[in-house]
Amino acid sequence: EADIYQTPRYLVIGTGKKITLECSQTMGHDKMYWYQQDPGMELHLIHYSYGVNSTEKGDLSSESTVSRIRTEHFPLTLESARPSHTSQYLCATRGGERSGGYTFGSGTRLTVV
Amino acid sequence: GEDVEQSLFLSVREGDSSVINCTYTDSSSTYLYWYKQEPGAGLQLLTYIFSNMDMKQDQRLTVLLNKKDKHLSLRIADTQTGDSAIYFCAETKAAGNKLTFGGGTRVLVKP
Repeated sequence: EADIYQTPRYLVIGTGKKITLECSQTMGHDKMYWYQQDPGMELHLIHYSYGVNSTEKGDLSSESTVSRIRTEHFPLTLESARPSHTSQYLCATRGGERSGGYTFGSGTRLTVV
Repeated sequence: GEDVEQSLFLSVREGDSSVINCTYTDSSSTYLYWYKQEPGAGLQLLTYIFSNMDMKQDQRLTVLLNKKDKHLSLRIADTQTGDSAIYFCAETKAAGNKLTFGGGTRVLVKP
């Protein structure tokens, strides 16, 4: 059973629409991350949060924004979607486990037409 | 800056061993990971190794770390068709820091 959930799994939307990708976790982890994965497979960190009311931009500049009002939720919003935003978006969390690894959600595959 | 590199593609016959290689540039890397991504799915943590270790074995998986050459490898013994996926190596300087991922290696297992 997944401990981190992303919705929707797939989304096709028209240019100019506002969208919010949801990410929720039940593990109580403080650290959460959003990655954008392009068709060439590379993962690019676009946002991260180290706890409630903490959000930071990642290594890749993104027109999206995030919020962290509650520990469990880390939604990502695009105010005006464009075809260049077509990608897979992966949410991850990181807890206190010794391995220090991430737990990833299943991803949202976004297509902007 | 930090950089993690992997070869793009590996083809292997079912039953053979697979070896996926990764190089990194940050000598202060502390934790190194291997993730597996199946089609349409998120990333699954396969295994990890601390920088003070040379080798770690977990069932069919063997991780080798050459810290001097900054080289990490993942060996999959008796490769199965279900092992076909994209494999990412990743590194971080300390638990709690963000991970830096390689570009991924697509492994295709042929019957």
